[in-house]
Amino acid sequence: GIQVEQSPPDLILQEGANSTLRCNFSDSVNNLQWFHQNPWGQLINLFYIPSGTKQNGRLSATTVATERYSLLYISSSQTTDSGVYFCAVSGAGSYQLTFGKGTKLSVIP
Amino acid sequence: NAGVTQTPKFQVLKTGQSMTLQCAQDMNHNSMYWYRQDPGMGLRLIYYSASEGTTDKGEVPNGYNVSRLNKREFSLRLESAAPSQTSVYFCASSELDYGYTFGSGTRLTVV
Repeated sequence: GIQVEQSPPDLILQEGANSTLRCNFSDSVNNLQWFHQNPWGQLINLFYIPSGTKQNGRLSATTVATERYSLLYISSSQTTDSGVYFCAVSGAGSYQLTFGKGTKLSVIP
Repeated sequence: NAGVTQTPKFQVLKTGQSMTLQCAQDMNHNSMYWYRQDPGMGLRLIYYSASEGTTDKGEVPNGYNVSRLNKREFSLRLESAAPSQTSVYFCASSELDYGYTFGSGTRLTVV
């Protein structure tokens, strides 16, 4: 199956700083999503982005499918951005979203 | 509010007991999923249902069964719970391959 690697595994930021989270995947995908799991455990879908670039407020994501990676940008970070960010992918004809192990982000005031 | 509802939120079982985790969605999604989340492992797919009337195994199906009762409901059953099934269980639904919506999770402890 497809392998998903996320980096860095842990990230500590001062409030107001910017960050870039990376997701590498081992095969071509037809589905790539970014999720945020808040400290209370709730999983929120941030982006569906198998290719291209999308932006939503302070968050944006870019997937370069031909080079098998995706980036999640967080600008002007806030303490509410803390939590774990997951990248998940599936290949053609597959319903199985394979998750990376996540990047744990801590934003300190 | 529209979304995915899971019950119960917390459960403690003794080894060998059985239980069913319930999941319902009100977004008219065709596909539903059960994942488990363990520390350091991310989320792993247990079973999924691509559409009403179909179910398929995911990455870690052993020890579980599922039922797609109707388009809204997808339950997960543990027939004989084992300590290795201590985990947080998430149900999710989606339309086509995108827009996953997750429930709030069930924290299960097997002692």
